Amino acid sequence: NAGVTQTPKFRVLKTGQSMTLLCAQDMNHEYMYWYRQDPGMGLRLIHYSVGEGTTAKGEVPDGYNVSRLKKQNFLLGLESAAPSQTSVYFCASRGSNYGYTFGSGTRLTVV
Amino acid sequence: EDKVVQSPLSLVVHEGDTVTLNCSYEVTNFRSLLWYKQEKKAPTFLFMLTSSGIEKKSGRLSSILDKKELFSILNITATQTGDSAVYLCAVDNYGQNFVFGPGTRLSVLP
Repeated sequence: NAGVTQTPKFRVLKTGQSMTLLCAQDMNHEYMYWYRQDPGMGLRLIHYSVGEGTTAKGEVPDGYNVSRLKKQNFLLGLESAAPSQTSVYFCASRGSNYGYTFGSGTRLTVV
Repeated sequence: EDKVVQSPLSLVVHEGDTVTLNCSYEVTNFRSLLWYKQEKKAPTFLFMLTSSGIEKKSGRLSSILDKKELFSILNITATQTGDSAVYLCAVDNYGQNFVFGPGTRLSVLP
């Protein structure tokens, strides 16, 4: 039972480059989330989805886009990376038992 | 705006000490409060609390909720170096997502 899988685990980007982070869950959860975690800031919600084909903005959505074409996958895109987007990114999913299941994180550095 | 506050933000203790971590919240609607432990990677679930005064316990960890005073505490007795982590508190406010606190970074020295 894999739970929530994030790829890649690490990435270094140059300013202006683009990339996509992939989150996959095998628990048939409806809700999926993308968070970023910075020192002293806790987890901040970027975007989330309440079901296949739906997305919504969270607390810090600027500079990011998302898509949920399939229920099990939630993609986070950076169109033009900036140093301020250096962070650790976590994906999470949530089922009927209320609790979140988190992925193992992606450490992104933008230089 | 719904808010979750944790204190202290950082704590250093020695093995064998007992620690108490605090989480207070201000939310319009309350469904549950959750505690997570985050070591190097993903946060892992510890407890979910929905009712006041009922202690949840798992080994040396325990937690209790006070819905009147809007706070929860997480106790760790006889701390070990493996307890070193960031402890996150989150509130389910019946919204689409949980509201997370900033976390308490606990360091347990040998």
